Amino acid sequence: SQQGEEDPQALSIQEGENATMNCSYKTSINNLQWYRQNSGRGLVHLILIRSNEREKHSGRLRVTLDTSKKSSSLLITASRAADTASYFCATVYMEYGNKLVFGAGTILRVKS
Amino acid sequence: DGGITQSPKYLFRKEGQNVTLSCEQNLNHDAMYWYRQDPGQGLRLIYYSQIVNDFQKGDIAEGYSVSREKKESFPLTVTSAQKNPTAFYLCASRDLTEDTQYFGPGTRLTVL
Repeated sequence: SQQGEEDPQALSIQEGENATMNCSYKTSINNLQWYRQNSGRGLVHLILIRSNEREKHSGRLRVTLDTSKKSSSLLITASRAADTASYFCATVYMEYGNKLVFGAGTILRVKS
Repeated sequence: DGGITQSPKYLFRKEGQNVTLSCEQNLNHDAMYWYRQDPGQGLRLIYYSQIVNDFQKGDIAEGYSVSREKKESFPLTVTSAQKNPTAFYLCASRDLTEDTQYFGPGTRLTVL
């Protein structure tokens, strides 16, 4: 079964608003990663947060990790139309050569 | 210009035919991965390789085959034994000292 599950499945906001996406996972992790996918394209790595970190920032992105609740959130501040994409969290499953285990993703639509 | 390339971008196959999807990287990464993505879902691991001339099955290897004769190349063959091959296929690579994977632009395979 998939390790990560994103919530909500879809999110529609106005340009300039903040977007928050959540991810839950099932087992202990070394790190959790967020990826972005534009429609019909490959995935782009956004940010990695390690299990001993609680919060990490990168530009307009803020990621939090709560290992006690086995959950993470991705916040995109001051959203832009170009942020429209699908966002996936992924955990590393070391027994399969460090394969990434993905959830189904959150589809974000930013309206201008 | 470093990165991962996949070809072709679109591929159409008749039932009963084998087709091979190309994946090339010039990032000098040791590990390479093939994932399958179905509409509205996350990625599932087909095969992975951590070193030349060695590869391992992922979660959904049935009906697929791979080879790793060169570090830069990891082609995927979708055989006639794969009963539902229509999907978006993504190749990724990784430096063994990192957890981040770098993805190609994908190949969309459609069975006619």
